Amino acid sequence: GQNIDQPTEMTATEGAIVQINCTYQTSGFNGLFWYQQHAGEAPTFLSYNVLDGLEEKGRFSSFLSRSKGYSYLLLKELQMKDSASYLCAVREFYNQGGKLIFGQGTELSVKP
Amino acid sequence: NAGVTQTPKFQVLKTGQSMTLQCAQDMNHEYMSWYRQDPGMGLRLIHYSVGAGITDQGEVPNGYNVSRSTTEDFPLRLLSAAPSQTSVYFCASRPGTSFTQYFGPGTRLTVL
Repeated sequence: GQNIDQPTEMTATEGAIVQINCTYQTSGFNGLFWYQQHAGEAPTFLSYNVLDGLEEKGRFSSFLSRSKGYSYLLLKELQMKDSASYLCAVREFYNQGGKLIFGQGTELSVKP
Repeated sequence: NAGVTQTPKFQVLKTGQSMTLQCAQDMNHEYMSWYRQDPGMGLRLIHYSVGAGITDQGEVPNGYNVSRSTTEDFPLRLLSAAPSQTSVYFCASRPGTSFTQYFGPGTRLTVL
């Protein structure tokens, strides 16, 4: 089976740095995604890691360790608009197309 | 491009009624998926398709049917609605050359 864990909610201050962790247990791992979802809206793609290491994209970075089944999303210079839910999703190699298994999401609140 | 579109945005049904949620994409993506999102549960895969004429079940397929007669359209049918199907439904698509999924705006369904 598969299991993805991430904290339910986090709070941080504008201008600070926050790290959102995600641990997973899955068979046939074939990549990990981070999505951002503002309240009442659709998820939007942030990052994709398939190899170990850090991927940096502007204020957002994502890290993966396949041997530890662990990833984190790092948000720097937090802005109020970063208040959203952050979804960790693992792609399994499964027959055709692959399946995305999502964690429950981490609700991030950015305070002034 | 309009991207991924879904209709309706909101729907209220009575138990036992049937209906079809529409999803269309104009990006010529091979892969399309339906997810439901419930509080504390994250996004769960209902059904997916890897191309016209090919569909398969996800994690929670019971009570739902899909078909894929064209590349553009991937409707989700609720055969006999139940209160447990009250949820937000997202359609997503991706090209065969990328693992990044693009989500539609969602349909908020309430079954009374």
